[in-house]
Amino acid sequence: QSVLTQPPSASGTPGQRVTISCSGSSSNIGSNTVNWYQQLPGTAPKLLIYSNNQRPSGVPDRFSGSKSGTSASLAISGLQSEDEADYYCAAWDDSLNGSWVFGGGTKLTVL
Amino acid sequence: EVQLVESGGGLVQPGGSLRLSCAASGFTFSSYEMNWVRQAPGKGLEWVSYISSSGSTIYYADSVKGRFTISRDNAKNSLYLQMNSLRAEDTAVYYCGRFGELGDAFDIWGQGTMVTVSS
Repeated sequence: QSVLTQPPSASGTPGQRVTISCSGSSSNIGSNTVNWYQQLPGTAPKLLIYSNNQRPSGVPDRFSGSKSGTSASLAISGLQSEDEADYYCAAWDDSLNGSWVFGGGTKLTVL
Repeated sequence: EVQLVESGGGLVQPGGSLRLSCAASGFTFSSYEMNWVRQAPGKGLEWVSYISSSGSTIYYADSVKGRFTISRDNAKNSLYLQMNSLRAEDTAVYYCGRFGELGDAFDIWGQGTMVTVSS
């Protein structure tokens, strides 16, 4: 059971806009920034969004992030076949001794 | 090119030990905090351990505390994870990740090394 909650799956057709949610609590998303990672099949994770809504160099502006209260969202517009991957949200959790926590991951299928 | 390359994975019996290494290149390793993150087969990502740039501050996930030890050798541009008292549930791909260049995110990841704990 992951500390951050994501839907296990999402889907869309090419060109569509899809959103993936990430729900947490006051000790993680509510008080810290959220990062998103993309993991293509058989590869290592890649940073997609940091500090809630910032894109690293090279990440297309089709990808955007937002945060409100104890929840965050990743939006992908103009969906492309190469976006088919697993997506994970992550944040620092202040509870106990502190730790980084991840969502369980959302498998995005491009129909 | 900024790169992290893990090594040292393999098959080990329950209760055994293994030492993972992560070789860094293309950046000033000694300036960056580092982490280990693992992924069990077919499962999601799980943070394992953190070490500050100097090695003076270390954190562990509760699931590995007391069994795993993170360390680094800045002169060798290398990060390590000593894993003792291994359990079946430690079976996973272990990734090293650079931290701190972009917010509090892991911005560079290695390709991972597989650890299998089985008799």
